[in-house]
Amino acid sequence: DAGITQSPRYKITETGRQVTLMCHQTWSHSYMFWYRQDLGHGLRLIYYSAAADITDKGEVPDGYVVSRSKTENFPLTLESATRSQTSVYFCASRETKGARGQHEAFFGQGTRLTVV
Amino acid sequence: AQSVTQLGSHVSVSEGALVLLRCNYSSSVPPYLFWYVQYPNQGLQLLLKYTTGATLVKGINGFEAEFKKSETSFHLTKPSAHMSDAAEYFCAVIITNTGNQFYFGTGTSLTVIP
Repeated sequence: DAGITQSPRYKITETGRQVTLMCHQTWSHSYMFWYRQDLGHGLRLIYYSAAADITDKGEVPDGYVVSRSKTENFPLTLESATRSQTSVYFCASRETKGARGQHEAFFGQGTRLTVV
Repeated sequence: AQSVTQLGSHVSVSEGALVLLRCNYSSSVPPYLFWYVQYPNQGLQLLLKYTTGATLVKGINGFEAEFKKSETSFHLTKPSAHMSDAAEYFCAVIITNTGNQFYFGTGTSLTVIP
């Protein structure tokens, strides 16, 4: 199916463990983003990527690592999970150039991560 | 610096009443403006957007918003609320001279009272 999918939808992990959240989009959009959603903060940008092998920090990057070896995938890794990283994580993609260029971002369904 | 401010984290309206959700932005250059809706346990879905052209934009589900440069506002309205409109609403902006980052407001939770 076309679109943007995140996995897993729900994850419980222990403090100190490494966990990777997956994001896959089928449109070949150039830009991809990771946000976290917390009550009272709205959505905050963690990392974004303008193209394969190009990534950059957002507003709250500490404790997270990203990679983008292929255009369609943008995994987010918590190297050593902490309770403060309990949140809902959203992946998004966007194309800004050419005939497919548009301005809005398309979001995945989210991953609810709980760190215990 | 806060780029988007949504006034009122919770708004309650009666079914059939006017919905007004407020959004103000800060930008020295013409922004791109968006409203997204989030239903429980769902991702964000685009309601409408303003990039250029007509300042009154219509979106899905009967919503519309007006870009007012003089007031730096992009308020979301709907003439008559339905129960199905109960959701979280986010205003977002792209500041066009700072790249392609979205800046989101903190969201407004809309409750519709039967």
